[in-house]
Amino acid sequence: DAKTTQPNSMESNEEEPVHLPCNHSTISGTDYIHWYRQLPSQGPEYVIHGLTSNVNNRMASLAIAEDRKSSTLILHRATLRDAAVYYCIPRPDSGGSNYKLTFGKGTLLTVNP
Amino acid sequence: GAGVSQSPSNKVTEKGKDVELRCDPISGHTALYWYRQSLGQGLEFLIYFQGNSAPDKSGLPSDRFSAERTGGSVSTLTIQRTQQEDSAVYLCASSQGSTETYNEQFFGPGTRLTVL
Repeated sequence: DAKTTQPNSMESNEEEPVHLPCNHSTISGTDYIHWYRQLPSQGPEYVIHGLTSNVNNRMASLAIAEDRKSSTLILHRATLRDAAVYYCIPRPDSGGSNYKLTFGKGTLLTVNP
Repeated sequence: GAGVSQSPSNKVTEKGKDVELRCDPISGHTALYWYRQSLGQGLEFLIYFQGNSAPDKSGLPSDRFSAERTGGSVSTLTIQRTQQEDSAVYLCASSQGSTETYNEQFFGPGTRLTVL
C-alpha cells in the first residue's frame, strides 16, 4: 500500500478557503486518491476522489500534482461543520483487496468562528 | 434515505464476557465492511463481505473475533471472552459494489465498546 503523509493538524477561519495537503510519493500509477473525513463522534464519510485530473464536487475540490506524488483537498469556504479529521487514501483502481480502505492518522482541521 | 445503522451505540462489558455488535447496511448494498478505531489510532480493517462470496477475514485480530452476514443483509460481529484491549469504536460500512474504485463506502455511527 502507498504510504501517505499529512499534517497532524491545521486551523482555518470560517468562510475562508482551506488547502489540506497529502504526500503520497509511493503511489502506483493506477491508484486513485480518495479523501474521507470523520466528523466528531461519527463514522467517516466520503468526500472526493480522483486519478490524474483535478476534480470538483459539491463538497470540495481535489487538485492532483502532475507527478501524482501529492494532492490537495480544497474546501472553498470553510464552515464550522467542516471541522473534522481528513484522511487521504490511495486506493487501487481494481482487483486484489482494493476494497480495503487504509486510513492513516489524517489531518485534524479546526475551524474558528 | 436511511443510512447504515449500528446497535448498540454504546456497550460496556466485563472482561471475559462475549459481546455481539449489529450492523444494518443500506438496502441494496452488496458489500459490507467492519473496521475498528482504537483511541488515538486510525481505522483498522477487520472483515469484508461481498454477496455470497467467502468473506475476507484477514483483518480479524484473533480467533476470538468472528462475524456473519445473514441473508446478504444484516451483519453481526461477535467478540468472545473480551479483553481490555478490545475497547474501541467498531464501525460498519456498506457499498453498492466493492472493487470498482468509485464505490464509496458509507459508514455507520459506530458502536463504542468498553471492556472493564
